[in-house]
Amino acid sequence: NAGVTQTPKFQVLKTGQSMTLQCAQDMNHEYMSWYRQDPGMGLRLIHYSVGAGITDQGEVPNGYNVSRSTTEDFPLRLLSAAPSQTSVYFCASSQTGRAEAFFGQGTRLTVV
Amino acid sequence: DQQVKQNSPSLSVQEGRISILNCDYTNSMFDYFLWYKKYPAEGPTFLISISSIKDKNEDGRFTVFLNKSAKHLSLHIVPSQPGDSAVYFCAASDSGTYKYIFGTGTRLKVLA
Repeated sequence: NAGVTQTPKFQVLKTGQSMTLQCAQDMNHEYMSWYRQDPGMGLRLIHYSVGAGITDQGEVPNGYNVSRSTTEDFPLRLLSAAPSQTSVYFCASSQTGRAEAFFGQGTRLTVV
Repeated sequence: DQQVKQNSPSLSVQEGRISILNCDYTNSMFDYFLWYKKYPAEGPTFLISISSIKDKNEDGRFTVFLNKSAKHLSLHIVPSQPGDSAVYFCAASDSGTYKYIFGTGTRLKVLA
């Protein structure tokens, strides 16, 4: 049982480049979310989805887009990377919005 | 505005003693709380949760206490073990939004 799989694990981008962070879960969870972790800031919610075709913004959505075309996948797109987006990104899924979340191992992104 | 606060960035405890990690929140609408543990280079893993209808929840060595009037919760680990050394995050949500807000984390070091 793979759980939540994030790719890539590490990425370096130049300012202005775009990329997609992939997230897939095999637990048939309806609820998925993206967080970023920065020193001294904890985990901050970027976007979340309560089911296929439904997404909403979290605390820090600017500069990021998401879509949820299937239950399994929830990609996070950076449209034009900025140094302020240097962070560790975590994807999570849960059965419901109130249940415990299962996290992926994270993607460490550096924007230079 | 930080709605969930963990005011102690770090804590050191001797093996076998009690570890107490604290978390304060400001939003009175929060009614469900979770604790996660995070090891370096891994995603957070769920530890224990508590609903606002309870004031205590216990799972083995881990107990969470909730004081709604003080908007305060604490995680007790007894006895502490070196393998408990990790960063601990508390998270809170309200039934209206189904979004979890995380604290900034407390790094626990259990000394052998």
